[in-house]
Amino acid sequence: GAVVSQHPSRVICKSGTSVKIECRSLDFQATTMFWYRQFPKQSLMLMATSNEGSKATYEQGVEKDKFLINHASLTLSTLTVTSAHPEDSSFYICSARTQTGQNQPQHFGDGTRLSIL
Amino acid sequence: DAKTTQPNSMESNEEEPVHLPCNHSTISGTDYIHWYRQLPSQGPEYVIHGLTSNVNNRMASLAIAEDRKSSTLILHRATLRDAAVYYCILRDARNTPLVFGKGTRLSVIA
Repeated sequence: GAVVSQHPSRVICKSGTSVKIECRSLDFQATTMFWYRQFPKQSLMLMATSNEGSKATYEQGVEKDKFLINHASLTLSTLTVTSAHPEDSSFYICSARTQTGQNQPQHFGDGTRLSIL
Repeated sequence: DAKTTQPNSMESNEEEPVHLPCNHSTISGTDYIHWYRQLPSQGPEYVIHGLTSNVNNRMASLAIAEDRKSSTLILHRATLRDAAVYYCILRDARNTPLVFGKGTRLSVIA
């Protein structure tokens, strides 16, 4: 089945640091990738949608200057949390989908647990 | 996406069948019914999806009511590894991103 790899799986860093998270589709071309955030005991919240080669579309309330998304190739998208603060501590999950076929499943990475001290 | 309603939690004995219900009374004609599950500390995993007819795959079965206002995910024999949060999600044919509700937390008892 389709595999999405996310790296790193865990990050602990000081307040003010910028953190980059990578999301790769290993065996398929992901024309669309999604980034979600999940706080403890809550559900996943969609942050943004990115299509390869174009600017990401952010959900309401998500700061695009705070969460920089790059989707430069069909197999790689990155999320950079700039100047991270303790309130940015969360579980970040990427997801990818091919465009072929109607209503194809979304494939998810295993998430990145970000802890800001 | 139309809203779904699921019980907060359910419990099952190991090796027993589990029926996870989902209500979606405002479903539109083009909405597909998707089920995903999330094991602890992992990203969600696709389980099954359907439009009108019942669906079976190696993981589960999806039973869709005739009026499509509800559906049931069926795990034929629950194992301890099936303990997870199960999400029932409606997604239209435009392939919009999945929007997650609160899901049902399934506990499996040995």
